[in-house]
Amino acid sequence: DTAVSQTPKYLVTQMGNDKSIKCEQNLGHDTMYWYKQDSKKFLKIMFSYNNKELIINETVPNRFSPKSPDKAHLNLHINSLELGDSAVYFCASSQSTSYGLQQYFGPGTRLTVL
Amino acid sequence: AQSVTQLGSHVSVSEGALVLLRCNYSSSVPPYLFWYVQYPNQGLQLLLKYTSAATLVKGINGFEAEFKKSETSFHLTKPSAHMSDAAEYFCAVSDPNTGTASKLTFGTGTRLQVTL
Repeated sequence: DTAVSQTPKYLVTQMGNDKSIKCEQNLGHDTMYWYKQDSKKFLKIMFSYNNKELIINETVPNRFSPKSPDKAHLNLHINSLELGDSAVYFCASSQSTSYGLQQYFGPGTRLTVL
Repeated sequence: AQSVTQLGSHVSVSEGALVLLRCNYSSSVPPYLFWYVQYPNQGLQLLLKYTSAATLVKGINGFEAEFKKSETSFHLTKPSAHMSDAAEYFCAVSDPNTGTASKLTFGTGTRLQVTL
């Protein structure tokens, strides 16, 4: 059973389109995250939700909108896609927001914007 | 602001040789520190973490890391490299004093290559 799953695994789209990435965790965790990994492998947090409440919102264009319908799901919608949005997007979860907890990562979604 | 620096974006070792991947942190107080590994086309997996208990931390797959406050370092080591260790390794820090929940800040990563 996959702990943190993401769909789709690959996403190829044209500039200007709108797309969504879905994430689900079956670990019973309260906290979920979205990270962006660029072409140089640099990982940066974008958003975090705890019990469906947004708790971390880094400097991300407002074209990116996360949504957590319940504790087990965190989706990422991207409007008006740009070339610079091409990256691998990782979802992660942790038991809570306590410091020092392990974060469990999904397999990633590779987004390519043409 | 907290940050981590990984010295060496690419490290190459022979199979059976010592692995040493360097990580230095900047924080006003000892933070929580992590090492994650990313195998090709996969997500990140926790190797080990330091949370102010023992300074020598043992992780999975024979890896360990030592927290040295005086050097602000948390270097990752493994006595004998195996071909299966070839991957990207990330050091990450979580600073309890930032007030930003469990936010992780990652280093730029070190690619470990293991040769025969």
